[in-house]
Amino acid sequence: DAGITQSPRHKVTETGTPVTLRCHQTENHRYMYWYRQDPGHGLRLIHYSYGVKDTDKGEVSDGYSVSRSKTEDFLLTLESATSSQTSVYFCAATGTAGNTEAFFGQGTRLTVV
Amino acid sequence: QQQVKQSPQSLIVQKGGISIINCAYENTAFDYFPWYQQFPGKGPALLIAIRPDVSEKKEGRFTISFNKSAKQFSLHIMDSQPGDSATYFCAASIGGAQKLVFGQGTRLTINP
Repeated sequence: DAGITQSPRHKVTETGTPVTLRCHQTENHRYMYWYRQDPGHGLRLIHYSYGVKDTDKGEVSDGYSVSRSKTEDFLLTLESATSSQTSVYFCAATGTAGNTEAFFGQGTRLTVV
Repeated sequence: QQQVKQSPQSLIVQKGGISIINCAYENTAFDYFPWYQQFPGKGPALLIAIRPDVSEKKEGRFTISFNKSAKQFSLHIMDSQPGDSATYFCAASIGGAQKLVFGQGTRLTINP
């Protein structure tokens, strides 16, 4: 997992509650990403960051927000969790632009009941 | 819309056989095409990647074939082994590993 740690690894939460997932990296990668993995859809980009306090939306950003106050930490917040956000969430990181490998964490399985 | 389409969804191959997974893309601006391998409970890991200036890239038993005119690329696993059983994702992007667009994934099972 190349120095990328996600927490928690598993979480069950109730509909309507806010949830924050954390990604921590130790390799000083500039770019960080949040993807969600769902059967039949592969991985889809939620949000990404190209530096501290610099973030942008991905393909499926509705209902999610992110923050990056330090190079090593990238937080994903579900503002009001819904059942459609039940998924496995992966954090990834890459170095400089043009870098040819994205390193992934081990994932967070989130269940919204 | 699914910019990268992957097939088949699942594949069963006998040990020693050739596993073939196909992907098609729509955006002609894509210039980086990696394949990721994922084992249960783990995150995806880069397996092999290709850029459109070559038609084939080989690393050990793994080969990517790329057809720019058809906007298709495929992964071939030669002499498939039970340890290759995993989910494989093709992906595409512009410039490098940033903002990858993934295919739907293929669950590969190699029977001993």
